[in-house]
Amino acid sequence: GENVEQHPSTLSVQEGDSAVIKCTYSDSASNYFPWYKQELGKRPQLIIDIRSNVGEKKDQRIAVTLNKTAKHFSLHITETQPEDSAVYFCAASIVGGSQGNLIFGKGTKLSVKP
Amino acid sequence: DSGVTQTPKHLITATGQRVTLRCSPRSGDLSVYWYQQSLDQGLQFLIQYYNGEERAKGNILERFSAQQFPDLHSELNLSSLELGDSALYFCASSVAGGGVTYNEQFFGPGTRLTVL
Repeated sequence: GENVEQHPSTLSVQEGDSAVIKCTYSDSASNYFPWYKQELGKRPQLIIDIRSNVGEKKDQRIAVTLNKTAKHFSLHITETQPEDSAVYFCAASIVGGSQGNLIFGKGTKLSVKP
Repeated sequence: DSGVTQTPKHLITATGQRVTLRCSPRSGDLSVYWYQQSLDQGLQFLIQYYNGEERAKGNILERFSAQQFPDLHSELNLSSLELGDSALYFCASSVAGGGVTYNEQFFGPGTRLTVL
């Protein structure tokens, strides 16, 4: 089955710096890659996603890139702010049928220091 | 607010007991997914139901079972509880069906289960 590796497990940056989180997946059939942000004690919230027919997607300070050949995808956060501090999870999924469960990476705890 | 609701918010029980967690999906979503989040295991997929039928199974123990009712709400039943079952249990919902090309999943607020 699918396996998702995520690095680093913790990341500390200064406010205003960029942060990059990387994930690799094992199943070449995976075609949907969402990123979730989870604040302490709260639900995971979808922040951005990318489908396998797209190489890059941006939404304000957040961008995601996908390299299908290498089977890895990355989250880029620019101009980080203290409110970006949270745990970020990448995930992989196969959509198109009636399944679509997410396989998550172990998470990255991002700390943005003011 | 994602539109997905879960009850109860907290549950404290003893080893050997049985509990039921409830989830109502967003309006229009046919799929419900259950995930377990513990400190050392991250977010683990347990089981998916689509329009009342089981569609996918993950790392779900035999002591756990789930179902989805005609009104599309779902229940996760955990029995013979052990200390290690203490975790946050999330459900998520999505449209997921034949022919869709996207599958955004929206998570409920979770149920925190503590087994003493």
